[in-house]
Amino acid sequence: DGGITQSPKYLFRKEGQNVTLSCEQNLNHDAMYWYRQDPGQGLRLIYYSQIVNDFQKGDIAEGYSVSREKKESFPLTVTSAQKNPTAFYLCATQSLQGTYEQYFGPGTRLTVT
Amino acid sequence: EDQVTQSPEALRLQEGESSSLNCSYTVSGLRGLFWYRQDPGKGPEFLFTLYSAGEEKEKERLKATLTKKESFLHITAPKPEDSATYLCAASAAGNKLTFGGGTRVLVKP
Repeated sequence: DGGITQSPKYLFRKEGQNVTLSCEQNLNHDAMYWYRQDPGQGLRLIYYSQIVNDFQKGDIAEGYSVSREKKESFPLTVTSAQKNPTAFYLCATQSLQGTYEQYFGPGTRLTVT
Repeated sequence: EDQVTQSPEALRLQEGESSSLNCSYTVSGLRGLFWYRQDPGKGPEFLFTLYSAGEEKEKERLKATLTKKESFLHITAPKPEDSATYLCAASAAGNKLTFGGGTRVLVKP
């Protein structure tokens, strides 16, 4: 079954704890993206990667970290430095072969108390 | 700075009442204009890509159009299952997408 998987679907953490969100794809897409979505708002870019072992900060990277050791995987760590981490996190992939649309995973809802 | 603005923020329609959603964009060197549908608690679902002014794409009751400054998503004779948030995004150099805030559409039977 092809596509993008994110796990877990729901995640609860206490303040001060780091947490890692998983994103895996089997679409053979080169680029992967992490977005944050707050209630009633659009998507804001956290980090993105267009090639293995390379990634760039998006508009709201502070308090987050990523790695891209494999083409299929792009995990996001929400650190304790992120001041307001409760949100819906979305992973997306993009083929860089002539078209630019991004495809999204099902999302992870993170709640920090 | 690239900017995408969607209006209205919310739209309530009766079943069968056609309407249009607006997406205004300010992007240097537009590579593509994208429309997505998002249901509550789910990831956005890709609908259309438009590449140049004058282009139109259709899918069931949805039709997307593009001018040099804005895009419209027309919903013809909507049904309750068309209720969702519709997101617009623009791509310029660098492959990143800039998203608008979305339009929440509620279609009442």
